[in-house]
Amino acid sequence: NAGVTQTPKFQVLKTGQSMTLQCAQDMNHEYMSWYRQDPGMGLRLIHYSVGAGITDQGEVPNGYNVSRSTTEDFPLRLLSAAPSQTSVYFCASALTGELFFGEGSRLTVL
Amino acid sequence: SQELEQSPQSLIVQEGKNLTINCTSSKTLYGLYWYKQKYGEGLIFLMMLQKGGEEKSHEKITAKLDEKKQQSSLHITASQPSHAGIYLCGADSLLAGNNRKLIWGLGTSLAVNP
Repeated sequence: NAGVTQTPKFQVLKTGQSMTLQCAQDMNHEYMSWYRQDPGMGLRLIHYSVGAGITDQGEVPNGYNVSRSTTEDFPLRLLSAAPSQTSVYFCASALTGELFFGEGSRLTVL
Repeated sequence: SQELEQSPQSLIVQEGKNLTINCTSSKTLYGLYWYKQKYGEGLIFLMMLQKGGEEKSHEKITAKLDEKKQQSSLHITASQPSHAGIYLCGADSLLAGNNRKLIWGLGTSLAVNP
């Protein structure tokens, strides 16, 4: 099993550009989530989903959109990137217990 | 203020030494998770604790949750360079079906000198 796969691993954007971070899991997990990790701030929840067709906001949702059309995929969209969105992004999924994390996507917005 | 306080923030130990990392909350924790993150990589699940007084071990790492379920400790015995990394604790803040919003500590950075 591949687990949780995130792409791309690295991305550099200019302010105002849009992009999508992809997340896919092959474990048939209902729960999926996106976090950002920043120095001194820890992991902060952006959006999460408890199943296909259901999404909800986390702690820091502004500037990000998500959708969940299938159980496997949970893409994170940045509509107009800002320097404040420079961060490392993690996708995570779960059945009922621990979260399984992807390897992260490092995003730099210039 | 952080809902989950981790201490110490960073730790440098000599190979072979024992060490303890703490994770404390003012609220009751319904599920406590320990993860390890190597620099620039994802988070690897170590252990989960749910019951007051619970203790789990894996190889040289032991995690405990106190009876009140407000504090957890992670103890590494005879540390090795492979133990180096960032240790994070996370906890379920809501026990309501699948609406899980975990709260996280800021992490403890561990370096092990050979």
